[in-house]
Amino acid sequence: ETGVTQSPTHLIKTRGQQVTLRCSSQSGHNTVSWYQQALGQGPQFIFQYYREEENGRGNFPPRFSGLQFPNYSSELNVNALELDDSALYLCASSLAEGPDTQYFGPGTRLTVL
Amino acid sequence: GNSVTQMEGPVTLSEEAFLTINCTYTATGYPSLFWYVQYPGEGLQLLLKATKADDKGSNKGFEATYRKETTSFHLEKGSVQVSDSAVYFCALKDSNYQLIWGAGTKLIIKP
Repeated sequence: ETGVTQSPTHLIKTRGQQVTLRCSSQSGHNTVSWYQQALGQGPQFIFQYYREEENGRGNFPPRFSGLQFPNYSSELNVNALELDDSALYLCASSLAEGPDTQYFGPGTRLTVL
Repeated sequence: GNSVTQMEGPVTLSEEAFLTINCTYTATGYPSLFWYVQYPGEGLQLLLKATKADDKGSNKGFEATYRKETTSFHLEKGSVQVSDSAVYFCALKDSNYQLIWGAGTKLIIKP
């Protein structure tokens, strides 16, 4: 059973650019959630996808968008990057949209200059 | 709205000391409660969970009991080791199935 993987590990972008982060779910998991973790803080929920549909969103602007594919892998897209977008982006998968345990990937460290 | 508050760190203890990291929550309904751990250079790992009042989650010598009357889920361990040094996060899963996180507590164990 493979765990949650994310790519790339690290990324450096400049303000105004766009970025795509990728996540492969744990085998058999159909729900993916994305979180932003600023340095020294707890993760903040961005959104969740269940069977290719967004079914929950945190307090993030529309320039944060996502996709989930038929194989349940997922992308997080961020447009018009701002300096405050610098953070660790975490992907978590779970078996269902319910209260099941979420399994986290190692994260992608995004630095915006 | 829903929120989680945990004690500020860093918490510094000697090896074999007793550990308590306090966590309280505010939520409507009956959320599931979690403790996650983040070891240096690694991703978040589920440490333990409890899904209803009076449930006790336990793993690797750590325990936490879901106390509805005090809206608390304090993490305890009887004898800590240097390898327990990490950042510990308390979280709840609300009725929208979103994880709401505390700010994290850094634990430093000295030999």
